[in-house]
Amino acid sequence: EVQLVESGGGLVQPGRSMKLSCAASGFTFSNYGMAWVRQAPTKGLEWVATISYDGSSTYYRDSVKGRFTISRDNAKSTLYLQMNSLRSEDTATYYCTRDTRLGVPFAYWGQGTLVTVSS
Amino acid sequence: DVVMTQTPVSLSVSLGGQVSISCRSSQSLVHNNGNTYLSWYLQKPGQSPQLLIYKVSNRFSGISDRFSGSGSGTDFTLKISRVEPDDLGVYYCGQGTQYPYTFGAGTKLELK
Repeated sequence: EVQLVESGGGLVQPGRSMKLSCAASGFTFSNYGMAWVRQAPTKGLEWVATISYDGSSTYYRDSVKGRFTISRDNAKSTLYLQMNSLRSEDTATYYCTRDTRLGVPFAYWGQGTLVTVSS
Repeated sequence: DVVMTQTPVSLSVSLGGQVSISCRSSQSLVHNNGNTYLSWYLQKPGQSPQLLIYKVSNRFSGISDRFSGSGSGTDFTLKISRVEPDDLGVYYCGQGTQYPYTFGAGTKLELK
């Protein structure tokens, strides 16, 4: 069974940093592209970043480019999101997601971790 | 960016009834590889979203055949037949053809 378990969320002040982790199990992590999707309170879904199966390619939405870094450790079956210079508009539940074998994004979702950016 | 427009914003349905949700994209979702990466998701209250339909009309693993997707190019539809209580929640369409990947604003399905 595919399992994605996010951690690392919490309350952080504007301008500070936070690193999210996503522990994957139930599949061969190194075979799949992964992504982060966020959802602000009472709002819809917003794609944040994607990383290829081997980490060689990464993609970001414009609003986080230069501030967020997606990475992965295939030996540890873990996905990361390093978030710097956090803003109030980054407040959201962050979901870790996995592609299908054929590259369809967001096939599997974790339970999410809430990041609140506030002073 | 590809804008995904979902209608209606909300739907009221009786158990056992049928509903349709429309999703239109501002650009064609046909990828260079010939695939159309249009998916449908359901987010039940208090839960993470789940994939229902991918590449327009393919049901994901374990998804009931009461859910069906159709469409092409820029115009897509999700149909739910014989609505059950567990179908209630917010439905999103999403495109994975072009970065940045984008989602519709959602359609809330409620009981009449």
